[in-house]
Amino acid sequence: GQQLNQSPQSMFIQEGEDVSMNCTSSSIFNTWLWYKQDPGEGPVLLIALYKAGELTSNGRLTAQFGITRKDSFLNISASIPSDVGIYFCAGQNKMDTGRRALTFGSGTRLQVQP
Amino acid sequence: DGGITQSPKYLFRKEGQNVTLSCEQNLNHDAMYWYRQDPGQGLRLIYYSQIVNDFQKGDIAEGYSVSREKKESFPLTVTSAQKNPTAFYLCASSITGTEKLFFGSGTQLSVL
Repeated sequence: GQQLNQSPQSMFIQEGEDVSMNCTSSSIFNTWLWYKQDPGEGPVLLIALYKAGELTSNGRLTAQFGITRKDSFLNISASIPSDVGIYFCAGQNKMDTGRRALTFGSGTRLQVQP
Repeated sequence: DGGITQSPKYLFRKEGQNVTLSCEQNLNHDAMYWYRQDPGQGLRLIYYSQIVNDFQKGDIAEGYSVSREKKESFPLTVTSAQKNPTAFYLCASSITGTEKLFFGSGTQLSVL
């Protein structure tokens, strides 16, 4: 099946620092999404991207849809303690009629030291 | 308030037992999904349904079964054939044709 490689696996940073994480795919996607999961809860959608090269922001979060359509990036600026959680990338190729569901990366676990 | 409700939050399964996880949504979404999450890993797709009375296998369907008799409901049965059922199970829904999944708060299944 489709493979998503997400890195880094985990990050431990100081409050106020910026954070970057990325995701690469073995196949082309035409949609990339970024989710955040708090412990014991379901993921919550942060940003959705629909076009190669697209750059979208949501507050302190900025995500980009890679030009090759095989990667995506998420940046968090000026981190705060409530940014703690697991961040997942997810992608889908709508042309893949055999699979009409998102594929998820393995997640980046973020810890923020106050 | 509209949303997705999963129950129970915690569930224990005995050896050889089938258990059913509930998922209900009142978002009027056509599509529903089940994902499995193991510690330190991403979400893996078990089954999904784009419309009532129809569903497709995902990447790890073996040992699981589903039904979609109503638009609002998509229960998942973990059968005794699933030899490693301990995991966090997440149900999600979306408007068909969009990729924005809305998730429930999950069910933690453990084996006694």
